[in-house]
Amino acid sequence: AQSVTQLDSHVSVSEGTPVLLRCNYSSSYSPSLFWYVQHPNKGLQLLLKYTSAATLVKGINGFEAEFKKSETSFHLTKPSAHMSDAAEYFCVVSDLGSGGGADGLTFGKGTHLIIQP
Amino acid sequence: DGGITQSPKYLFRKEGQNVTLSCEQNLNHDAMYWYRQDPGQGLRLIYYSQIVNDFQKGDIAEGYSVSREKKESFPLTVTSAQKNPTAFYLCASSIGGQVGETQYFGPGTRLLVL
Repeated sequence: AQSVTQLDSHVSVSEGTPVLLRCNYSSSYSPSLFWYVQHPNKGLQLLLKYTSAATLVKGINGFEAEFKKSETSFHLTKPSAHMSDAAEYFCVVSDLGSGGGADGLTFGKGTHLIIQP
Repeated sequence: DGGITQSPKYLFRKEGQNVTLSCEQNLNHDAMYWYRQDPGQGLRLIYYSQIVNDFQKGDIAEGYSVSREKKESFPLTVTSAQKNPTAFYLCASSIGGQVGETQYFGPGTRLLVL
């Protein structure tokens, strides 16, 4: 069975400083990993996706994430936070062990990113 | 413009009433999904469909029903059997419903009980 843990429910940073959102996963197979962002009362937007190619994945809006198999982590980073980055971020895992493709996504509980001016 | 639309944005339900949430996509995707989101929680899968006229229960299907008569449409009915329907409902689609596929999300419908 797969699972995903977002280690912080809230993260607060000052504008212009680095962002780190932490995600650990467990998977019996080679997983696909995603980060999505959700602004208030909106749907989820894909930030980036890892599918066993390069371990460092670059996404939209300056975000990137590094897949570390030895640490079972997929942390999301950004060098310099912007006020528009304030949102909820979800780490998501998908693997063959889920029992099927269509019902195979497992969502973390989310990290609320707060940007201080 | 390709994408997923959900309507209405807000929906109010009276006790004992069934309500239907609309989801339409023009991405030509085979697979569609319904999720429920509660505060401080991740998304939980209600139902999914990988092909027209076929759908499967997700983790929390009780009190909900769906249909998939057209490829582009996947409406969700919240029945009176769902005792705690207040939540944010998200519809998504993907190309074929295979492992590792990206799911694309609509803007959501917020359901409130009067």
